[in-house]
Amino acid sequence: DGGITQSPKYLFRKEGQNVTLSCEQNLNHDAMYWYRQDPGQGLRLIYYSQIVNDFQKGDIAEGYSVSREKKESFPLTVTSAQKNPTAFYLCASCPRDSLEKLFFGSGTQLSVL
Amino acid sequence: KNEVEQSPQNLTAQEGEFITINCSYSVGISALHWLQQHPGGGIVSLFMLSSGKKKHGRLIATINIQEKHSSLHITASHPRDSAVYICAVSRDSNYQLIWGAGTKLIIKP
Repeated sequence: DGGITQSPKYLFRKEGQNVTLSCEQNLNHDAMYWYRQDPGQGLRLIYYSQIVNDFQKGDIAEGYSVSREKKESFPLTVTSAQKNPTAFYLCASCPRDSLEKLFFGSGTQLSVL
Repeated sequence: KNEVEQSPQNLTAQEGEFITINCSYSVGISALHWLQQHPGGGIVSLFMLSSGKKKHGRLIATINIQEKHSSLHITASHPRDSAVYICAVSRDSNYQLIWGAGTKLIIKP
């Protein structure tokens, strides 16, 4: 079955450490997104990509980086520059021009040790 | 003021009750989305609508473009409907969504 796989489900980061969250989809979707979710708040867009080898900053890109070397993969790195990384991170994808077919991964909870 | 506002923030009801969750927005949109987030964190898209009404099983979504308002209704609610329901709007010419903060629904048996 097609879908989006995020890993790991739980991740712990030490001070000054970079960590990478994985997002893989086998839906053949062009567009992929990374969102951050904090308790009681709406999802906030970190980065998005509409095509391989291209991506754009969202509303809260500072302290994060991404790559889109393959259509199916859109990893997110939380760098040491992100001072408040504790949050739930969600990856999503959809076909080009079709937000109606928006699929989400199951999320990664990142916490700081 | 947030561009997408949901009410209520929290809702607890008894099994079988008719549920209404509201969403108001202040920007021009191309479509409005209703999504469901289960306690495990995964999100499922329920509806995308740009006018009128859509129905899927016990779920009904309506939108009034002139009033910039949408409602999600659940008929004959069941404990398995307990989840966070999220409203989001998409604007012309991009893929980005503007998200509401969500409504946490608890249905008691």
